[in-house]
Amino acid sequence: QSALTQPASVSGSPGQSITISCTGTSSDVGGYNYVSWYQQHPGKAPKLMIYEVSNRPSGVSNRFSGSKSGNTASLTISGLQAEDEADYYCSSYTSSSTPRGWVFGGGTKLTVL
Amino acid sequence: QVQLVESGGGLVKPGGSLRLSCAASGFTFSDYYMSWIRQAPGKGLEWVSYISSSGSTIYYADSVKGRFTISRDNAKNSLYLQMNSLRAEDTAVYYCASRPYYGNHFDYWGQGTLVTVSS
Repeated sequence: QSALTQPASVSGSPGQSITISCTGTSSDVGGYNYVSWYQQHPGKAPKLMIYEVSNRPSGVSNRFSGSKSGNTASLTISGLQAEDEADYYCSSYTSSSTPRGWVFGGGTKLTVL
Repeated sequence: QVQLVESGGGLVKPGGSLRLSCAASGFTFSDYYMSWIRQAPGKGLEWVSYISSSGSTIYYADSVKGRFTISRDNAKNSLYLQMNSLRAEDTAVYYCASRPYYGNHFDYWGQGTLVTVSS
C-alpha cells in the first residue's frame, strides 16, 4: 500500500485555526468514508481524534473537525491551544485489489507558536 | 476502562524470531477486531496486520506477508504476532489496537513494545 500524503509540518498561533490535508486515491480516501485522524504526543501512543471522516469520539474537543472532498480529507483544529502541539496522522481503509487493509499518512507535525 | 498491554519486544538478530503479545481488558475482547500497527524510530505509522473477532479473516501488509502471523485467543483476551525472518527494517515500536465492529478506525491503542533487529 502507498502512504497517504500529508504536509510534513504546519504551525499556528494560540487561538488560530489550522487545517491539515491528507491526499489519497479513489481506492482509499476517495472510495470510502473511512478516514480517521490520530494525535500523537512524543513518546505516547496515538489517540483517535476523528473517525468516519467527521465523527468525534466521546471526550474529544469539538475544536477538532474533519471533512473530505474527493480524494482529499482534512482535519481542522480551531482555537489552537498549546496542548494541541503534536504529530497528527490520517488513515483510511483501502480495498485496492491486494491487499486489503489500512493505510496511514506520513504524519504532520503541528507547532503552536 | 479499556486497556491494551503489549509485551514480548526486545533485541533480536536479523533472521531471528520474536512473539509479541497484547493483553486486553476492560471490554469484550471477543467482539472486537484487532490490528498490529508499527512505528519505526522517528517515522510514521504503518499498519501491519488485522484479525477479525473470530479469527476467521486475516490481512497482512505486503511488507510482512509470509513472515508474520497474527492470531488471537479470545478465552485469554489476548492477541499475538509471531514474527519470523526479522529484518533491520522491522525495527519499530509495535502497537496493538482495537477496531470496533461498526467502523474502520482504531479506537484504543496499547502503549507499544519496542522491537530492535540488529546484529
